[in-house]
Order: sequence, then structure tokens, then C-alpha cells
Amino acid sequence: GAVVSQHPSRVICKSGTSVKIECRSLDFQATTMFWYRQFPKQSLMLMATSNEGSKATYEQGVEKDKFLINHASLTLSTLTVTSAHPEDSSFYICSARSGQLGKYNSPLHFGNGTRLTVT
Amino acid sequence: RKEVEQDPGPFNVPEGATVAFNCTYSNSASQSFFWYRQDCRKEPKLLMSVYSSGNEDGRFTAQLNRASQYISLLIRDSKLSDSATYLCVVGFMNNNAGNMLTFGGGTRLMVKP
Repeated sequence: GAVVSQHPSRVICKSGTSVKIECRSLDFQATTMFWYRQFPKQSLMLMATSNEGSKATYEQGVEKDKFLINHASLTLSTLTVTSAHPEDSSFYICSARSGQLGKYNSPLHFGNGTRLTVT
Repeated sequence: RKEVEQDPGPFNVPEGATVAFNCTYSNSASQSFFWYRQDCRKEPKLLMSVYSSGNEDGRFTAQLNRASQYISLLIRDSKLSDSATYLCVVGFMNNNAGNMLTFGGGTRLMVKP
């Protein structure tokens, strides 16, 4: 089945540093990938939609200058948390749709998530 | 009102029990429906898509009621390994943003011996 790989799975960084998270679709092409954030005991909240070759679309309340998204190829999207602060500590998950490009009823396949802890 | 609502639970059931979860959605233009399972501190995994005619996969049965705008998940003969959070996911096509998926808050199930 479709596989999405996310790296790193866990990162601890100091306040003020930047962290880059990679999301790769291993056996399919994904023109669109999604980035989510999940706080403890809460559901996934969509942060942004990453489109290959164009600017990402950010959800309301998500700072695009803080959460930089780059989708340079059909198999790779990156999320960079810039100048991280303790309140950015969360579980970040990417996903991609493996069905026909743009087909709305194809399910999502998730990366294994990145647990970010900012000290 | 949330776009996709679920009872957060937890549902505590004994092994072998039958348990059902409901999920309501507010966008009548929604076109795709899924149930995902999420284990603690892990990423969600697709459990099953939900089709208009209803569908079954082993012990799991999903139903869609478009008129009332809800979907359901029925788990028969619960196993300890079914303990997890079940996420209801609803999708629709947004002309500007493309495919949009909205997650419910999840329903936590705990199956006890």
C-alpha cells in the first residue's frame, strides 16, 4: 500500500532554533500534501496544504513565516518550524493522498509523525 | 458548532461486546467519509472508507446517512486490541482550496478483559 515516510520521528531542540521536518511519499506521487498539528488529547488540526511547485495554503491562525513549507518535488514536502518556542511543542503529522491526482474520495496516508519538544 | 462532531468518550466495554460510534457533520456538500484509527502517540491509520450503501469489513461496519448527515461505525466482538481513538473524517471539494478533509475530535474506546 501507499507509504508516507516522515523524518525525524522525534526531535528535542532549544528555544530559538529552527527544526525541519521531511515528508516523503515513497511509492506514489503526491501533488498535494497536508501538514497537521496535534496537541495532547486533541484531534488533528490542519495547518497547511502543501502544493508541489507553488506556495502552500495556510489555515487561519497559522503563521506562514513561522511554519515554512516547501514542496519542491512530487514526493517531498518539508515543514520548517522557525525560531521554535516551547508552545510549538506538539506532534506534527504529514499526509498525502495516494489516489488519482485531485480525486477527492481517496483516503489519506499519514506519515508516522514527528514529536517536537522545545526546551 | 464544529464541522465534524464526535462523542469523545471514553467508551469502556468488555471484550466481546458490540459498540457503536456516531459522527455528525455540518457540511451538506461533503462527498467523502472515512474512519481512521489512532493509537496513543501514533499517527492515524485508515480503518475504512464509508460508502453510501454502507460497508462491512470483518467485525467493522460503517454506515452513512446523508439525510441526517451522520456516519456510524459498529464494532462487533470487541478485542483488547481495538482499544484506540477512532477519528471520523469528512471530505468535500472546495473550488479554491481543492480537496478538504476535516477531522472529528475522535472517540476513545477502551476494551477491558
